[in-house]
Amino acid sequence: AQSVTQLDSHVSVSEGTPVLLRCNYSSSYSPSLFWYVQHPNKGLQLLLKYTSAATLVKGINGFEAEFKKSETSFHLTKPSAHMSDAAEYFCVVTPSGGYQKVTFGTGTKLQVIP
Amino acid sequence: EPEVTQTPSHQVTQMGQEVILRCVPISNHLYFYWYRQILGQKVEFLVSFYNNEISEKSEIFDDQFSVERPDGSNFTLKIRSTKLEDSAMYFCASSEVGTGVQPQHFGDGTRLSIL
Repeated sequence: AQSVTQLDSHVSVSEGTPVLLRCNYSSSYSPSLFWYVQHPNKGLQLLLKYTSAATLVKGINGFEAEFKKSETSFHLTKPSAHMSDAAEYFCVVTPSGGYQKVTFGTGTKLQVIP
Repeated sequence: EPEVTQTPSHQVTQMGQEVILRCVPISNHLYFYWYRQILGQKVEFLVSFYNNEISEKSEIFDDQFSVERPDGSNFTLKIRSTKLEDSAMYFCASSEVGTGVQPQHFGDGTRLSIL
């Protein structure tokens, strides 16, 4: 069994300040973890993935996430928010190895204030 | 960059009618998926498809639903006898076969409205 908890449904930051979107997971297996972003009326775009290699993962648009097994967390960060980062972000977990059935978190809406 | 395309972008259907949602996965991908997102709720897995058969399906994917790969490029989701609660955004995704877990690439979705 696996599950994902995104601790904040909404996060609001000022442009140019750091972003932290929190994600905790549980999995019976060694998990793979992903972050996706969804802009309004658009599909889900892959930001980054963790698949049991380096625990600090760098993604697109300056985002990164750190896999912490002891804390069962995979928080998404960015040093400096941009207006274009305003979107909804989904943390996703899947068992490692072969074909995967993914479980989505409930999403975090990021608002960036000018 | 290759992408997953879905048609139509918005489908309006009368309750009780059948609807077919279409997807063209990325050409070298072999795993295909359907998800739905009811307004304001989380994205839910419906079904996965590999080698011309369903690999896994959720409890949502009952006899009302079916999937098909009618030719070498399309992947369709059919919903029979639609209900009001079928109104949602439906996303298609595809992924490669490779070593380890391959990320899924999503289309922009079809918004299905049941009247």
